[in-house]
Amino acid sequence: EAGVAQSPRYKIIEKRQSVAFWCNPISGHATLYWYQQILGQGPKLLIQFQNNGVVDDSQLPKDRFSAERLKGVDSTLKIQPAKLEDSAVYLCASSLTRGSIQETQYFGPGTRLLVL
Amino acid sequence: DAKTTQPTSMDCAEGRAANLPCNHSTISGNEYVYWYRQIHSQGPQYIIHGLKNNETNEMASLIITEDRKSSTLILPHATLRDTAVYYCIVRVPGTYKYIFGTGTRLKVLA
Repeated sequence: EAGVAQSPRYKIIEKRQSVAFWCNPISGHATLYWYQQILGQGPKLLIQFQNNGVVDDSQLPKDRFSAERLKGVDSTLKIQPAKLEDSAVYLCASSLTRGSIQETQYFGPGTRLLVL
Repeated sequence: DAKTTQPTSMDCAEGRAANLPCNHSTISGNEYVYWYRQIHSQGPQYIIHGLKNNETNEMASLIITEDRKSSTLILPHATLRDTAVYYCIVRVPGTYKYIFGTGTRLKVLA
């Protein structure tokens, strides 16, 4: 079974530029998550989709971050304009979501963003 | 929100058992405890989860206290490849939302 795919793996941009990350979840997984992981910290949830609808985006900085999941499969996360403090690893995860309280999330390798 | 507390770092000799503790005293009655690890420059990897009974799989064992306020992840024979940050996680009750802490940085020594 193929895992969660993310691209690019690394990205370097200057502040005020825009950047986009792509995620392809495990086939058949209805729920998709985007996390931000700042160096030395645990991942923090930015947004959660179930199929193509947003379940939770309470910690997404909506003035500069946006995300979409068209057709309920792939997803993109965009930052526009980027700030220095956006330097982090952006992780995508997916889960099956059959309503079980034992739901397990599976993570991709992440995209490492450096804003100069 | 439910939260967990773990030691910042631990060392373990190669071949010995690594015992990683976690405190989750505010866990609600039907929420599972999940353990993940993150090897440098990779995404978190699922290890094991449990509710109130001890669990074992090919990677590790999970011991949960009877009052469910704490748990211990056991790697029975640690290898150098087990060097990673280990996260003990509980979800926000009624959601699929994981709350990650800062984890325990385990270093396995040759």
